[in-house]
Amino acid sequence: QKEVEQNSGPLSVPEGAIASLNCTYSDRGSQSFFWYRQYSGKSPELIMFIYSNGDKEDGRFTAQLNKASQYVSLLIRDSQPSDSATYLCAVNPASGGSYIPTFGRGTSLIVHP
Amino acid sequence: EAGVAQSPRYKIIEKRQSVAFWCNPISGHATLYWYQQILGQGPKLLIQFQNNGVVDDSQLPKDRFSAERLKGVDSTLKIQPAKLEDSAVYLCASSLGQAVPNNEQFFGPGTRLTVL
Repeated sequence: QKEVEQNSGPLSVPEGAIASLNCTYSDRGSQSFFWYRQYSGKSPELIMFIYSNGDKEDGRFTAQLNKASQYVSLLIRDSQPSDSATYLCAVNPASGGSYIPTFGRGTSLIVHP
Repeated sequence: EAGVAQSPRYKIIEKRQSVAFWCNPISGHATLYWYQQILGQGPKLLIQFQNNGVVDDSQLPKDRFSAERLKGVDSTLKIQPAKLEDSAVYLCASSLGQAVPNNEQFFGPGTRLTVL
């Protein structure tokens, strides 16, 4: 059973702070990792993906991957109230040459003014 | 570029009735996914198509759910008969291909199903 674990939250941070969202996964063969944002009542939308160990930065967002620890995180700098949403971690374990996505349950982030 | 289209957006049925959802992916996207998202949970993959072939349907309750993508473009997901626990949002997503690790998925607006 391939699992992706996230703390459901909510994670509450003040405006301007750094929000740190974490995700662990069980399949060591996983090769790519995605963070999606989902506003209430809306569909998920991709924020960023990462597949190499280390950090990847895109604007206020930084994804961090540690394959040895089977851990991926998302940092949001200078958090804004508009960042309030559920953040979904998705992992692509490889299975017979295909990539079957598995999502975590998501972490609810609340950024308060 | 048009996004992933889904219909209907909302559906209310009684248990034991049947229901069908339709999805039209982004033009040129070979891979199509159907997810079930229950309130408070992450999307659960039901079935993944590559063109008109099934890549994975291990989590599809095959006694009541079926899906097809006959011409490798649009797809339908059917539930027959529906149960109360099928109440959820059904999301369709598409990506360029599934044989690459960084295959970004684009999601449709979803169909919210309520089973009474």
